[in-house]
Amino acid sequence: GENVEQHPSTLSVQEGDSAVIKCTYSDSASNYFPWYKQELGKGPQLIIDIRSNVGEKKDQRIAVTLNKTAKHFSLHITETQPEDSAVYFCAAPGGGADGLTFGKGTHLIIQP
Amino acid sequence: SQTIHQWPATLVQPVGSPLSLECTVEGTSNPNLYWYRQAAGRGLQLLFYSVGIGQISSEVPQNLSASRPQDRQFILSSKKLLLSDSGFYLCACRGGNNEKLFFGSGTQLSVL
Repeated sequence: GENVEQHPSTLSVQEGDSAVIKCTYSDSASNYFPWYKQELGKGPQLIIDIRSNVGEKKDQRIAVTLNKTAKHFSLHITETQPEDSAVYFCAAPGGGADGLTFGKGTHLIIQP
Repeated sequence: SQTIHQWPATLVQPVGSPLSLECTVEGTSNPNLYWYRQAAGRGLQLLFYSVGIGQISSEVPQNLSASRPQDRQFILSSKKLLLSDSGFYLCACRGGNNEKLFFGSGTQLSVL
């Protein structure tokens, strides 16, 4: 089955700086890669996703890049703000009935 | 767009007591439904999924069971809770041909 590795587990950046979170996956047939943001005590919220037929996708301050050859994808957040503080999860297709296999999460801390 | 309702938000139960968590979905028909568990500071583990009424598949052996009595209703149950059942339980939904997975707000279960 799919295996998703996510790094780092904790990331602290100064407000206004950029943050990058990286994930690798094992199944070369995987073709869909979402990112979720989870605030304390809440369910994960889908913030951006990418399909394997594109290399990059942007939505305002967030972007995701995909390298199919190397089987890794990354989340980029520019001009970080305090409200970006949360746990971020990457995922790839895995599990039964088109479920997702998740990375272990990155706790992003934005320092004022 | 689909909306996922989960309740209760918080639950404290003694060891050996029964459990029933309910999830209902609006805005889609014949969705795939999922129960995930998130241990403190850990990633998301898929417990059960369902592709239709009465169809339940388990991903991991455990003390829990799931049922789907109606198209947009998914229930997580236990006859006798264990301490190890504590965690944050999330219902998720994938509607129709949409590959996007959406989560409910979660139930924080503490077994004491």
